[in-house]
Amino acid sequence: EVQLVESGGGLVQPGGSLRLSCAASGFTFSTYWMSWVRQAPGKGLEWVASIDQDGSEKYYVDSVKGRFTISRDNAKNSLYLQMNSLRAEDTAVYYCARVTWFFDLWGRGTLVTVSS
Amino acid sequence: DIVMTQSPDSLAVSLGERATINCKSSQSVLYSSNNKNYLAWYQQKPGQPPKLLIYWASTRGSGVPDRFSGSGSGTDFTLTITSLQAEDVAVYYCQQYYSSPYTFGQGTKLEIK
Repeated sequence: EVQLVESGGGLVQPGGSLRLSCAASGFTFSTYWMSWVRQAPGKGLEWVASIDQDGSEKYYVDSVKGRFTISRDNAKNSLYLQMNSLRAEDTAVYYCARVTWFFDLWGRGTLVTVSS
Repeated sequence: DIVMTQSPDSLAVSLGERATINCKSSQSVLYSSNNKNYLAWYQQKPGQPPKLLIYWASTRGSGVPDRFSGSGSGTDFTLTITSLQAEDVAVYYCQQYYSSPYTFGQGTKLEIK
């Protein structure tokens, strides 16, 4: 089955760190760009970051530049998002998404809550 | 950054009737070299992740019923749902993938009247 499964979310204090993972299956992971998209509670969708097939190109939304790092391990069919210096406004469900120009496959998401 | 603005914010339509959602981009998302509009539509039902409905402004995604159609070019786009079904209750988002940051509209909540 073609799917993406996120993990690693949870409650973290402001200023803390968290690493999200996304396990891909059912397709050739190494041939696709991948992205993270987030959704704050009751709000709309916000693209966070994208990475190319071999990890050499990475793009970020301005609000997370310098704090978040997207990476991948093609041998493990996995995508990651290292989140440092977390803020309350980073509270959201984080979705892993496969990129075919557009986002054609989404995971179910993992909730990150930044609160003291 | 390209700003995507949807209208209306919410919409109530009777079962079997037509629903129309508009999306306007702050600059053109038409790439002249290939004549493609870098515009997608997504459907998000309560408690679920988004699902791709339409890409390249008018191409339906895999398994998407033909009552969903997309149209428009340049800066103005429309998602039309003909003969609304109960399972179409959702929030609909447009998104441009013309340039980074890849921005979404604020969403349109579709309900049954």
